[in-house]
Amino acid sequence: EVQLVQSGAEVKKPGESLKISCKGSGYSFTSYWIGWVRQTPGKGLEWMGIIYPGDSDTRYSPSFQGQVTISADKSISTAYLQWSSLKASDTAMYYCARVRSDFDYWGQGTLVTVSS
Amino acid sequence: EIVLTQSPGTLSLSPGERATLSCRASQSVSGSYLAWYQQKPGQAPRLLIYGASSRATGIPDRFSGSGSGTDFTLTISRLEPEDFAVFYCQQYGSSPYTFGQGTKLEFK
Repeated sequence: EVQLVQSGAEVKKPGESLKISCKGSGYSFTSYWIGWVRQTPGKGLEWMGIIYPGDSDTRYSPSFQGQVTISADKSISTAYLQWSSLKASDTAMYYCARVRSDFDYWGQGTLVTVSS
Repeated sequence: EIVLTQSPGTLSLSPGERATLSCRASQSVSGSYLAWYQQKPGQAPRLLIYGASSRATGIPDRFSGSGSGTDFTLTISRLEPEDFAVFYCQQYGSSPYTFGQGTKLEFK
């Protein structure tokens, strides 16, 4: 069974750094891209970027380029999304998903709250 | 980037009725690379339709997708109580792979 399990909810202050994770199982982790999607009440679902764990090839949406870093450790079948300096506007639910071209399996989501 | 506009914003129907949801793209979606997702409160989105008209694994045949170019439709032939949710379209033919703003299907 394909599963993507994300790390737990985070509460951070503006300016802090953060790295959230997404662990894949039940399939060949290095054979599919992993994508990250942001969801907010105001802007809905936003495609942030994708990574191919086999060779760490990474593509970003222009809206998120330079704002976040996507990485992966194929030895532990885990992808990451990280921020070096959080803003209040980063408050959102973040989902990872397996990319077949569409997003066919999704993680359960990680809620990130940034507040002073 | 391709902008996807979904209509209506909210659709109020009863179980047993037919639902028709629209997704219009600002430019042609190459290869009919369009997907539909269903999201229930507190849950992640779930893939329903890919390639504009192919049902994902385990999706009942009351869900169907159609369209090409810039106009796409998701049809639910006979609504079941568990179908009421928010539905999103997504194009994955041109990066960035944008989503529509969603259609909320609610009980009438």
